[in-house]
Amino acid sequence: DAKTTQPPSMDCAEGRAANLPCNHSTISGNEYVYWYRQIHSQGPQYIIHGLKNNETNEMASLIITEDRKSSTLILPHATLRDTAVYYCIVRAQSGGSNYKLTFGKGTLLTVNP
Amino acid sequence: DGGITQSPKYLFRKEGQNVTLSCEQNLNHDAMYWYRQDPGQGLRLIYYSQIVNDFQKGDIAEGYSVSREKKESFPLTVTSAQKNPTAFYLCASSRGLYTEAFFGQGTRLTVV
Repeated sequence: DAKTTQPPSMDCAEGRAANLPCNHSTISGNEYVYWYRQIHSQGPQYIIHGLKNNETNEMASLIITEDRKSSTLILPHATLRDTAVYYCIVRAQSGGSNYKLTFGKGTLLTVNP
Repeated sequence: DGGITQSPKYLFRKEGQNVTLSCEQNLNHDAMYWYRQDPGQGLRLIYYSQIVNDFQKGDIAEGYSVSREKKESFPLTVTSAQKNPTAFYLCASSRGLYTEAFFGQGTRLTVV
């Protein structure tokens, strides 16, 4: 029962912004949007999360639509080291089994020189 | 430098032997987790611990055991009862059970 939908793959030129979309049309009011990435053969890396406001940190920006049914992760200046699988997850911060992380298939972002 | 350290990165064992994977964190996090990741598949939760001296089974605990005697350490033992132990094992920690989790670099276990 997928809660999010992401394109399987995307390409981006080095130095350009990478915009990774995620659809989460059934998101509940108490669910946050989280983004992780996983470089091949490494552990997943937390990137950013948000509830309804746009968020920015040193790695990326997260833009969430007003109806919260979709979001976009923006890497402002992609480098070759940003090549990874990016996972978008929706998850409440309390209750039930929400302590578990469940990754879908994600988006393989390939940054090209 | 704060983080989660898993060791070793690669581990080979003979079938029938128990093996212990190390996980240490210096983030002062209360919660710790062990996940297993198989090729082309998502994460599956093995065990988790909300606080020191307490841990709970996840979805695939059979054939595994853990301990949480110290806040910073959460070792995982893969026993001979685990039918398919070859996998990529990931340790994670978080401030609380429902906050964002941070992962180690993983241990790739191969049983021959």
